[in-house]
Amino acid sequence: TQLLEQSPQFLSIQEGENLTVYCNSSSVFSSLQWYRQEPGEGPVLLVTVVTGGEVKKLKRLTFQFGDARKDSSLHITAAQPGDTGLYLCAGPPNSGNTPLVFGKGTRLSVIA
Amino acid sequence: GEEVAQTPKHLVRGEGQKAKLYCAPIKGHSYVFWYQQVLKNEFKFLISFQNENVFDETGMPKERFSAKCLPNSPCSLEIQATKLEDSAVYFCASSHRHDNSPLHFGNGTRLTVT
Repeated sequence: TQLLEQSPQFLSIQEGENLTVYCNSSSVFSSLQWYRQEPGEGPVLLVTVVTGGEVKKLKRLTFQFGDARKDSSLHITAAQPGDTGLYLCAGPPNSGNTPLVFGKGTRLSVIA
Repeated sequence: GEEVAQTPKHLVRGEGQKAKLYCAPIKGHSYVFWYQQVLKNEFKFLISFQNENVFDETGMPKERFSAKCLPNSPCSLEIQATKLEDSAVYFCASSHRHDNSPLHFGNGTRLTVT
């Protein structure tokens, strides 16, 4: 069973459109991280959300952590081709020194 | 260095051959992690180190896989007698802490077992 479920698995949109991708779990996480991975490279951290209900903005990207700390969303406004990539959420499954578990990601393609 | 450096970028091995992958973490980071990314994008945790000591090896296959982080040397992940299902991209990451700390990833080693 996958601890972090991401949806949709694939998303293809036109430049300028808005989109939201989701990261859900039945477990509570002390924090969640979002990464973007481009082909041939390792994931790069975008943001960490820690507090339930927290909203963080990174230019056109808005990240939200659910009140119960079981889910998170990433909203992109006016998507650009440079946003293309694999978006991964990750978190420590238990409090304490446990390694991050990753969702399977949402593969986003933004067409010019 | 300022980046996690992984070598080689690509590695092709025949079934049954040995594969050895290397990782130089960011200077000053105490923790090193190895993850395996298979075709469906799933990241599987393998092992982590605190400096040269194994910290968590719950994800390491019991057979054929071993890893080391020795002082003044790159960390390494070795697979003895590779199998077709070992084909994957192996990522190394480093961080200051083991828990919520962000991971800094290298660009991976793509292992193809033929």
